[in-house]
Amino acid sequence: DIQLTQSPSSLSASVGDRVTITCRASQSISSYLNWYQHIPGKAPKFLIYATSRLQSGVPSRFSGSGSDTEFTLTISGLQPEDFATYYCQQSFTIPLTFGGGTKVEIE
Amino acid sequence: EVQLVESGGGLVKPGGSLKLSCAASGFTFTTYSMNWVRQAPGQGLEWVSTISSSGSYIYYADSVKGRFTISRDNAENALYLQMNSLRAEDTAIYYCARGYNWNYGPEDNWGQGTLVTVSS
Repeated sequence: DIQLTQSPSSLSASVGDRVTITCRASQSISSYLNWYQHIPGKAPKFLIYATSRLQSGVPSRFSGSGSDTEFTLTISGLQPEDFATYYCQQSFTIPLTFGGGTKVEIE
Repeated sequence: EVQLVESGGGLVKPGGSLKLSCAASGFTFTTYSMNWVRQAPGQGLEWVSTISSSGSYIYYADSVKGRFTISRDNAENALYLQMNSLRAEDTAIYYCARGYNWNYGPEDNWGQGTLVTVSS
């Protein structure tokens, strides 16, 4: 199975900050890397697919980059509604796997 | 608007069975794969199973293979998860999620989830 390691596991930031989350894969997954946002009690939200393609309706302050085994999610100008846990996921092969999550908290 | 509504969760004893349902609306159900993803208490997201748009391709996580069965009724716009031989470690919120395309891949719309608790 392909393991995804996210770092950091949590971070504290302020509104307006630029935040970067890293996701490393245990083997090459080409560009088959997706990002989700999850707020407790709510349905997970699909943010980015294929490394850098923004899902319709997702604000442009979210961006993704990377390839092969190293990927990043960047939030440029953190907003109050962005405090949540973020997960990466590989869809290169079955089993689909998620990273352990990065909790973004208010500083 | 895409809507996914799960039902069927509850408390069940170890070794017992439960069947989850997901009612889908707001899109052409027959075009998309469907998935179950779960989140155990205090843990992250875990993919459970995917069924392709026609039902021809089915995939399971090793942790549930042989115990869980995914199915879909394209006439009723419904997704199911039959869970047998349940274990304490199956305790989780189970989310129904629409696939991004006809086969496995990212999940672009999610339901609110249904809680399954396995305990004696």
